[in-house]
Amino acid sequence: AQSVTQLDSHVSVSEGTPVLLRCNYSSSYSPSLFWYVQHPNKGLQLLLKYTSAATLVKGINGFEAEFKKSETSFHLTKPSAHMSDAAEYFCVVSDAGNMLTFGGGTRLMVKP
Amino acid sequence: SAVISQKPSRDICQRGTSLTIQCQVDSQVTMMFWYRQQPGQSLTLIATANQGSEATYESGFVIDKFPISRPNLTFSTLTVSNMSPEDSSIYLCSVVSADRVEDTIYFGEGSWLTVV
Repeated sequence: AQSVTQLDSHVSVSEGTPVLLRCNYSSSYSPSLFWYVQHPNKGLQLLLKYTSAATLVKGINGFEAEFKKSETSFHLTKPSAHMSDAAEYFCVVSDAGNMLTFGGGTRLMVKP
Repeated sequence: SAVISQKPSRDICQRGTSLTIQCQVDSQVTMMFWYRQQPGQSLTLIATANQGSEATYESGFVIDKFPISRPNLTFSTLTVSNMSPEDSSIYLCSVVSADRVEDTIYFGEGSWLTVV
């Protein structure tokens, strides 16, 4: 069985400051891990994914995430937040069957 | 890559009626899934759509309520039967495409259903 826990349901940052969205997972397999973003009234967009290659994964829009097996974590970071980053972010784990288990989501708010 | 078209994109439905959502992919894909996202919630897997056979449902979802068809490698339908306001959700089709290097997962834009 696999599960994902996003440790913060809401994160608020000021524009230009760093972003940290935390994610812990559990999986019986060597997992694939993803971060998706969902803007209001929009579909899901893939930010980045980890599939057992480099542990530091770079994604779109300046986001990156680091896979830490010892901590079972896959936190999402960005050095400098932009207003357009305000959205819902989902950490996702996938087993060998490509079925996805979604975390509860973190709503990122960016203050001017 | 795979481009997914979901129809309808939005609908308002009467309580007690049924609605069928279509998912069309522009290429053959190995796997297709249906997810639900209730208002303010995360996504939950409803079922895996199996080509030519009955779908595989996750705990809490049953075929009578969410019948699924997948007649070929590019098309699937999800029906939401006997709808109630609790069925108001976004329903998303997801596919796995065997790209050159690795499998890639794609999502449709979603079908936003409101039951009144």
